[in-house]
Amino acid sequence: GENVEQHPSTLSVQEGDSAVIKCTYSDSASNYFPWYKQELGKGPQLIIDIRSNVGEKKDQRIAVTLNKTAKHFSLHITETQPEDSAVYFCAASIWGTGNQFYFGTGTSLTVIP
Amino acid sequence: GAVVSQHPSRVICKSGTSVKIECRSLDFQATTMFWYRQFPKKSLMLMATSNEGSKATYEQGVEKDKFLINHASLTLSTLTVTSAHPEDSSFYICSARAGESVSDEQFFGPGTRLTVL
Repeated sequence: GENVEQHPSTLSVQEGDSAVIKCTYSDSASNYFPWYKQELGKGPQLIIDIRSNVGEKKDQRIAVTLNKTAKHFSLHITETQPEDSAVYFCAASIWGTGNQFYFGTGTSLTVIP
Repeated sequence: GAVVSQHPSRVICKSGTSVKIECRSLDFQATTMFWYRQFPKKSLMLMATSNEGSKATYEQGVEKDKFLINHASLTLSTLTVTSAHPEDSSFYICSARAGESVSDEQFFGPGTRLTVL
């Protein structure tokens, strides 16, 4: 089955700096990679996703890059703000099959004002 | 965006009792719902996948007789923790998917914090 690894497990950055979280996956058939943000005591919220037919996707301060050959994808947050502090999870799946999502282990991001 | 609700948000029960958690898709029909368990500072662990009108598919190691899942309608799935014990205390999260032909996005509920005394 699919194995998703995520690094780092914790990340602290100064407000205004950029944050990068990286994930690797093992199943070359995976082609859908969502990123979720989870605040304390709440359920995960989708913040951005990418499919394997593109290499990069951007939404304001958030971007995701995908390297299919190397089987890794990354979340980039620019101009970080304190409200970006949360736990971020990556996931991998096969689009259109109804298959389950395989989640990474999470990254706790702290943005220091 | 699609909204998924869970009820209750928090529940405290005595050991040996059963607890039911509801998961509802509020503005879309969910052909598939997923139930996850999350331990503090850990990732989401998939417990089972439920499709409307059929039996749930449980992940390896998850006791189907202990965690009863019912997906009776396209907007409601329930998870019942039977004969709960303190080790069942956890954060339970459901997610819902509209359908394979529409989207593979999963929309998560806010979670239910279960504490078993």
